[in-house]
Amino acid sequence: AQTVTQSQPEMSVQEAETVTLSCTYDTSESDYYLFWYKQPPSRQMILVIRQEAYKQQNATENRFSVNFQKAAKSFSLKISDSQLGDAAMYFCAYRSALAGTALIFGKGTTLSVSS
Amino acid sequence: SQTIHQWPATLVQPVGSPLSLECTVEGTSNPNLYWYRQAAGRGLQLLFYSVGIGQISSEVPQNLSASRPQDRQFILSSKKLLLSDSGFYLCAWSVDPSEKTGELFFGEGSRLTVL
Repeated sequence: AQTVTQSQPEMSVQEAETVTLSCTYDTSESDYYLFWYKQPPSRQMILVIRQEAYKQQNATENRFSVNFQKAAKSFSLKISDSQLGDAAMYFCAYRSALAGTALIFGKGTTLSVSS
Repeated sequence: SQTIHQWPATLVQPVGSPLSLECTVEGTSNPNLYWYRQAAGRGLQLLFYSVGIGQISSEVPQNLSASRPQDRQFILSSKKLLLSDSGFYLCAWSVDPSEKTGELFFGEGSRLTVL
């Protein structure tokens, strides 16, 4: 069975600084998706960034980028120029490319941003 | 555009009472539907998922059940709630992974407190 591990329960960063959230996963599959979701205090789950396993190029969305290391099964999220609105819980998630599968989530990392 | 709604947003129920949480999706057809639970300080646990009307897969044995009476309607139920059923319940939908998108889209969530 696939598993997702986030080893940092809490992280903190100052405004305008850069922070990296770690995620590792375990799978025997070769085709899958990886995601980072953000859950602010409103509890609404918001997709931050997506990576397809068959793509070697790391995904980027504005200030958010990932470091995808397929062989190491590592998928870290880098937030550049951190803003107060980035404060939230961040979840790393895995999904098989097979039909009829669900997302498997890590336990989350709570990110606090200070001014 | 596609939207997902779930209700009620907040629910306080006594132990032993029944439960019904409802989720509907608009703007798409034949979505995959999911129920997740998020307990306090923990990650998201997959409870049920459905790939079609009347097709329900259960991930965790418990006193909860799910039904999909219509293509875009997903219901989470219990005949007798336990204290341990308290948590934040999230409904989500996705297209089939073969569409090469893979992400789940989440509803606003339902907070259940069992007293």
